[in-house]
Amino acid sequence: QVQLKESGPGLVQPSQTLSLTCTVSGFSLTSYSVHWVRQHSGKSLEWMGRMWSDGDTSYNSAFTSRLSISRDTSKSQVFLKMNSLQTEDTGTYYCARRGNGSLFDYWGQGVMVTVSS
Amino acid sequence: DIQMTQSPASLSASLGETVTIECLASEDIYDILAWYQQKPGKSPQLLIYDASSLHTGVPSRFSGSGSGTQYSLKINSLQPEDFASYYCQNGLSAPLTFGSGTKLEIK
Repeated sequence: QVQLKESGPGLVQPSQTLSLTCTVSGFSLTSYSVHWVRQHSGKSLEWMGRMWSDGDTSYNSAFTSRLSISRDTSKSQVFLKMNSLQTEDTGTYYCARRGNGSLFDYWGQGVMVTVSS
Repeated sequence: DIQMTQSPASLSASLGETVTIECLASEDIYDILAWYQQKPGKSPQLLIYDASSLHTGVPSRFSGSGSGTQYSLKINSLQPEDFASYYCQNGLSAPLTFGSGTKLEIK
C-alpha cells in the first residue's frame, strides 16, 4: 500500500529554516520521483520542487536558492529544507509521488506550518 | 513558466446537473495535464491524467478532454460528494504549475 507522510515543526520563527520529512512506504524512491507542493490557506497549489528517482533534484525558481531537497533511500525519506522563512511561507506542505504515466497519484496528508514569532 | 488559467473560480450547481471546468495553458502542453479534487482539510486527489485518462477508482461521471492549450473537466450527474475544489496542473515542464482552482458549491 503506497503511503506518504510529512512530518516537521508546526511553528517556525521568521528568518529561521524549515525542515520537513516525507516518509514513504509501498514503493521505492529509486523508482519514482517525489515532489513537494505548498498551499496557502484557501489558495491554490504551488509546486516547489522534486527529487528524481535517480537522486537528481529540480526546483521552482520562485524559491531561488532558499530551497533544498535531499533523500535517504535506506530510510525511504525525502527531506525539504527552506531557509530565510517569512510569514508568507505559512501554509500546508505536501509531498506527493509522481506515478508512471500519470501525475501526482499519491499525496501525503500534509503538514501545516506557521511562520510567526 | 507555463501559466494555467482556470475558470470559473466558483460554480454553483444542483445535484444531478452537469458542469464543466476549463483550463487554458499559456503554451502547448501536449496533453500532459492532470485534474485533482480537493475537499476541505484533505489532500488533493488525482482524477484525470494525460488530459483524458481516468485515474483508478475514479467514477466514470468524471471526464477530461482537450488538447494543445485548452482543456476541460466535465462532471456528469453531480453527486453530493462532488462538491469540492478542483485544480488543473501542467505536467509537461517544471515548474509544474497549477490552475487557481474552481470551488464547486451546491445551489
